[in-house]
Formats: sequence, C-alpha cells, structure tokens
Amino acid sequence: GESVGLHLPTLSVQEGDNSIINCAYSNSASDYFIWYKQESGKGPQFIIDIRSNMDKRQGQRVTVLLNKTVKHLSLQIAATQPGDSAVYFCAEISGGYNKLIFGAGTRLAVHP
Amino acid sequence: EPEVTQTPSHQVTQMGQEVILRCVPISNHLYFYWYRQILGQKVEFLVSFYNNEISEKSEIFDDQFSVERPDGSNFTLKIRSTKLEDSAMYFCASSEVANSPLHFGNGTRLTVT
Repeated sequence: GESVGLHLPTLSVQEGDNSIINCAYSNSASDYFIWYKQESGKGPQFIIDIRSNMDKRQGQRVTVLLNKTVKHLSLQIAATQPGDSAVYFCAEISGGYNKLIFGAGTRLAVHP
Repeated sequence: EPEVTQTPSHQVTQMGQEVILRCVPISNHLYFYWYRQILGQKVEFLVSFYNNEISEKSEIFDDQFSVERPDGSNFTLKIRSTKLEDSAMYFCASSEVANSPLHFGNGTRLTVT
C-alpha cells in the first residue's frame, strides 16, 4: 500500500509536538467517519471512528473532532512519535451497505 | 488479533491475461469489500459484498471484474482481461456489521505489463 503521494499535502512536526490533521468531507448525509493510517507497504489501519451524533471522541493519544456544520473532520495526535509517520486518510460512510469513501490523504512526517 | 490476509502480495501479469486476487476476511465478519489504490492516489472503492451478493459497486467495477465467495472463508476478485491501467494495489477489507470499521489486508500489488 505505498502511497508515494507526490501531490499529498504534508504535515511536518517535531517529535513530542501535537499534530492536527484536517479533512473536509463531501456528503452531508454521511453519518459515520473513520480515520485510517497507512504506512508504506501496508493496508489502511483503523485509528478511530466517530458517528454523526457526536462532535468529539478520544482514544489513546488521538482525538477526532467532527463539525457537521462545515463538514469538517480533524485528527489530533498528542505527543507525536516517529512511529506516527504515515499517510492519514479520513473516510466517510453513508447509506446502508457500509460503503466507505476515502479522502485524499495527508502525509505526516515526524522529525526527531 | 484477527486480520484480513491477502495473497499473493505481488502479482505480475501480461495485458489481456486473467488474474485472481485472493482474500481471507476476518471470520465473523459479514461484509466484504475490494478497494484499489493507484500509486500516488487515494484508496478507491470497487465493490461491496453482503449475503452472497454484490450490494454496491463503483463505475470502475465494470464487466471485466467479478467477485466470488467460493467457500466459507475466501473472497476473491477476478479481473478477466487485464489492462495496463489495472496496475495498482488491491485491498480487501471486511467489517462485522454495517456502520462499523472496515479492516483491511496489506494488499496485492498488481503489475500489468
């Protein structure tokens, strides 16, 4: 699953800093959102999800914020580590058959 | 932790040949999917499969593509006559129920020459 991502936006952060990755989704009818992490050579890995009846959800070192008014999703990573370096995708689901639609992705580069 | 497994990890084929990509979804999952990712691009939906039939497919999933669940554990994607533009990473995924996270395998890299 390499995402060379020549045209991917890149967020560069120092190790230990907090990272915020943003995503605009397209379908106002979407009711379930997921953040995935993709490392080189691997498939997308589930990080955290949020349903449309919530505006915030926290996991271990990660927080997802949902603003339905402006159709915006963000992923906050606390105390970013070198192992967090990857491409991050937001994805949305609408409809009854669990069809997941991915956004374009953001590359996170963590520098020591 | 259960995972989705895909074989082969890399498949090279000549244009016009048929390929079958194989997947073993997580055993108690009911929904199955194929996605693809062309190098440098985002992950694109191909098809979803539930209750032994296709529930939804994208416009990419034309008559050259088919899916099958031949037994209780495997889920396959067949491309009948490959084209150069079919070169991509193909990801299989499964989910337990609707509106639940999809779990992805590590993909098959298909190279059509």
